[in-house]
Amino acid sequence: NAGVTQTPKFRVLKTGQSMTLLCAQDMNHEYMYWYRQDPGMGLRLIHYSVGEGTTAKGEVPDGYNVSRLKKQNFLLGLESAAPSQTSVYFCASTRHGSNEQFFGPGTRLTVL
Amino acid sequence: RKEVEQDPGPFNVPEGATVAFNCTYSNSASQSFFWYRQDCRKEPKLLMSVYSSGNEDGRFTAQLNRASQYISLLIRDSKLSDSATYLCVVRVTGANNLFFGTGTRLTVIP
Repeated sequence: NAGVTQTPKFRVLKTGQSMTLLCAQDMNHEYMYWYRQDPGMGLRLIHYSVGEGTTAKGEVPDGYNVSRLKKQNFLLGLESAAPSQTSVYFCASTRHGSNEQFFGPGTRLTVL
Repeated sequence: RKEVEQDPGPFNVPEGATVAFNCTYSNSASQSFFWYRQDCRKEPKLLMSVYSSGNEDGRFTAQLNRASQYISLLIRDSKLSDSATYLCVVRVTGANNLFFGTGTRLTVIP
């Protein structure tokens, strides 16, 4: 099993460009999450999903959109990237009733 | 106010030393508690859950004080491989997500 995978691993964008980060998990987990991690801020929840076709806002949702069309995939979109969105983005998943979140390897995004 | 607060460190300790980290949480409705470990430029991974009665996993001991709303992690006989950032994590009753502290960085020195 691959666990949680994220693509791409690295990306550099110019201000105003758009992109989509893909998260995939092969553990049949119901819940999926997108976090960003910044120095001194820790992991902050952007959006999450408790099942296929459902999404909810986290702590820092502004500037991001998400979709969960398939149970195994959770997409994070940046419509118009800003330098403040320079960060490391982690996807995580967990099964219903469990407290252990499994994380992907992260995507390092730089917005110039 | 942050849900979870930790001393960021860094803690630099010699091999074989005992080191302890604390964190505090603000929401009294918090029900589940964990320590995650994150290596440099890697993803966080669950180290251990923290139970009300305290629990051990080898050289690692976790304790919870609900009255004071703090959680601790004790590492005995530190190894070089223990060098990492340790994240204090809390789940609040009724929430679908976890709240992460900013982490405490540990470096074990030969």
